Amino acid sequence: GESVGLHLPTLSVQEGDNSIINCAYSNSASDYFIWYKQESGKGPQFIIDIRSNMDKRQGQRVTVLLNKTVKHLSLQIAATQPGDSAVYFCAENNNAGNMLTFGGGTRLMVKP
Amino acid sequence: EPEVTQTPSHQVTQMGQEVILRCVPISNHLYFYWYRQILGQKVEFLVSFYNNEISEKSEIFDDQFSVERPDGSNFTLKIRSTKLEDSAMYFCASSEDRGANEKLFFGSGTQLSVL
Repeated sequence: GESVGLHLPTLSVQEGDNSIINCAYSNSASDYFIWYKQESGKGPQFIIDIRSNMDKRQGQRVTVLLNKTVKHLSLQIAATQPGDSAVYFCAENNNAGNMLTFGGGTRLMVKP
Repeated sequence: EPEVTQTPSHQVTQMGQEVILRCVPISNHLYFYWYRQILGQKVEFLVSFYNNEISEKSEIFDDQFSVERPDGSNFTLKIRSTKLEDSAMYFCASSEDRGANEKLFFGSGTQLSVL
């Protein structure tokens, strides 16, 4: 079936470096995408979202890029900090309702 | 900042017992959701709820599950007869408007352990 998936299960970066977390999706009907951050013992925390009529959106230290041609989504974190260490999930909504489909998650580890 | 709150944070139960997981969504939100996450796996959609009825539900949400908004603030998930495979972290979420293009706010979850 159609699904959202991630390329890398674990990403280790040096503090201060930039991080890029990738996500592939296969549902061409999806038109809204969200990145969530999940710290240990906590629920998913909204980071940034993007609609399918955009290819880039920037927030504070984070940028989401959407490539609809290859069905690829990425999250870029600038100047990664120890507090960024968490599992990052991409999620999609196919405009059919309220259901979000989550990817498998990437664990980001920031080395001091 | 307003947040979704869930109680209890941990629930241990015996197989076959009923459990009720409780949530207080953000006060001006109208759409409510339950998701679950089995250890090491993806977050999975269970059910969405609006205007006192279920909007959508997944295959996971079978007859053993039910949801209720018993008053103006609480939103509950009941599992009638728990099974071992129901062990998971259960997240409540809410949104101000309908889910398409609408961000969801999640609670910190209830860790359910079925023995």
